[in-house]
Amino acid sequence: KNEVEQSPQNLTAQEGEFITINCSYSVGISALHWLQQHPGGGIVSLFMLSSGKKKHGRLIATINIQEKHSSLHITASHPRDSAVYICAVRPSGFGNEKLTFGTGTRLTIIP
Amino acid sequence: IAGITQAPTSQILAAGRRMTLRCTQDMRHNAMYWYRQDLGLGLRLIHYSNTAGTTGKGEVPDGYSVSRANTDDFPLTLASAVPSQTSVYFCASSGTRNTEAFFGQGTRLTVV
Repeated sequence: KNEVEQSPQNLTAQEGEFITINCSYSVGISALHWLQQHPGGGIVSLFMLSSGKKKHGRLIATINIQEKHSSLHITASHPRDSAVYICAVRPSGFGNEKLTFGTGTRLTIIP
Repeated sequence: IAGITQAPTSQILAAGRRMTLRCTQDMRHNAMYWYRQDLGLGLRLIHYSNTAGTTGKGEVPDGYSVSRANTDDFPLTLASAVPSQTSVYFCASSGTRNTEAFFGQGTRLTVV
């Protein structure tokens, strides 16, 4: 079993829909990262969080440390949101050299 | 340069050849990392450096070497490329080992 599991693996939705991507992990962590990767493109950091909730524009990330679970939400989705979203965790006591990545959720938003 | 830059963006390499992937950042970040991304496996750490002059092995270091002569540059060298090193390589940096990481655009390497 991978230390970081994302669901769903693939998600297709209509423009305007509310999107939720989930990340579950099995180790104690000091931080969790959400990353975005466009097709053929680089990787962009969206959020780094260790508790509660963060919001940036139409993106919201939440984390429940006790349940070892995080969600990434996209409100009023748009075709430009189509990308792979990657969750990564930093185990407690370590730095980014120990980041463990999920395999990503491929999101497609249809106009 | 703004942020973190990798070169080349793509390369086809004959097996057995030596290749260096370049990574440069202008954010004065102390920590730098090299990852490979393979389908179905996610990103895996090859080598890292927490500060200039120091390096460490990641999850999949075999066949790769790195150096960190200064803060800005973190080259990754394949001494004798093999087809299993065909992958997309990402360089990343962070201010310290515990802060947000910034990624380069990636280098697509094909070893034939």
